[in-house]
Amino acid sequence: GAGVSQSPSNKVTEKGKDVELRCDPISGHTALYWYRQSLGQGLEFLIYFQGNSAPDKSGLPSDRFSAERTGGSVSTLTIQRTQQEDSAVYLCASSFQAVPDTQYFGPGTRLTVL
Amino acid sequence: KQEVTQIPAALSVPEGENLVLNCSFTDSAIYNLQWFRQDPGKGLTSLLLIQSSQREQTSGRLNASLDKSSGRSTLYIAASQPGDSATYLCAVRGIIQGAQKLVFGQGTRLTINP
Repeated sequence: GAGVSQSPSNKVTEKGKDVELRCDPISGHTALYWYRQSLGQGLEFLIYFQGNSAPDKSGLPSDRFSAERTGGSVSTLTIQRTQQEDSAVYLCASSFQAVPDTQYFGPGTRLTVL
Repeated sequence: KQEVTQIPAALSVPEGENLVLNCSFTDSAIYNLQWFRQDPGKGLTSLLLIQSSQREQTSGRLNASLDKSSGRSTLYIAASQPGDSATYLCAVRGIIQGAQKLVFGQGTRLTINP
């Protein structure tokens, strides 16, 4: 079946602009995670959605970052007023249940802020 | 199929003791292994990442080792503190059946008693 998809695959933007990254999880997966990965670093947890519960936003690095998950499916990560340090690969993952269930990753969005 | 096992499932020790958490995995074809901690009701905090070519990583009082050939990793916590109380998760990342996945162990619930 279809895996996790993300769009766009690459995004180059100018400092100060807003960007939206999209994630389509695997159908039926209740948990959705956003991570980012800077060069040579491990996964940095950003936010996770579990069913209809309030999302855990504890990993968001600043109030410029926000995410929504509409209808328990598609999620959008929004970064406002982008900064150069926001440049990273943003990865979305979904799982049937919350951690420690296996998470399936999308291909990621490579964000470059000039 | 990749399976990750963590032993023990729960551990309770007095403050100040050194301790070791164990993680084993069945498929050595991994990109990396990462240790996370999870506080109740929260997402994940990344502790240490070990690339498949590395043998250990250190951060403060934490030291993680990786023996890929035997499918084992350990997380060593020195001079434990009550604030270390959390669930510690080991996760291996790799391509499994054509999909990029992060496979978690079930975690070790650690309690440090003052």
